[in-house]
Amino acid sequence: DAGVIQSPRHEVTEMGQEVTLRCKPISGHDYLFWYRQTMMRGLELLIYFNNNVPIDDSGMPEDRFSAKMPNASFSTLKIQPSEPRDSAVYFCASSPRSDGEKLFFGSGTQLSVL
Amino acid sequence: SQQGEEDPQALSIQEGENATMNCSYKTSINNLQWYRQNSGRGLVHLILIRSNEREKHSGRLRVTLDTSKKSSSLLITASRAADTASYFCATGSSNTGKLIFGQGTTLQVKP
Repeated sequence: DAGVIQSPRHEVTEMGQEVTLRCKPISGHDYLFWYRQTMMRGLELLIYFNNNVPIDDSGMPEDRFSAKMPNASFSTLKIQPSEPRDSAVYFCASSPRSDGEKLFFGSGTQLSVL
Repeated sequence: SQQGEEDPQALSIQEGENATMNCSYKTSINNLQWYRQNSGRGLVHLILIRSNEREKHSGRLRVTLDTSKKSSSLLITASRAADTASYFCATGSSNTGKLIFGQGTTLQVKP
């Protein structure tokens, strides 16, 4: 299995631009999580899905952030418009089960908003 | 908000020594997990201990869990330079599917 695949690995954009981060979870995993990692705040859970349905988006910082999972093999995290404080590493992770079981992480997208 | 808090924030040891990292948490949990993150990479799952377990081993890793004190420790024995990384504890909630991470301990193992 190729593991969780995220793209792009690096994204540099200017303030105000739309940013779309992509994730392909491991086949057969029913749960997908988006995390954000910064030095100041550590790893923050933004949103997670179960069987393509958003279950908890209480960690999404603002309305500028949105996430979708149109099918079991693809998810996007969109920021529109982007701001410099959105600069972080964004991780996608998937899990075959609920109740906080083992997560498999992608390599992350390093986002820099100038 | 962070569920787990790790101690120490940074640890530097010589190769061959043991490394101990501690994690404290606040609410009831279903399980506690430890992850490793090498610089510039994603997190990798190391070990999971359930709330009804007290100790677990995996290779050179030993994890303990004290639910009465809401704390856990990760012991890496006979450390190697390749163990240099950040280590995170994460708690799985009894009520939700969330996994909440601590701030991590940065471990440096000097050759």
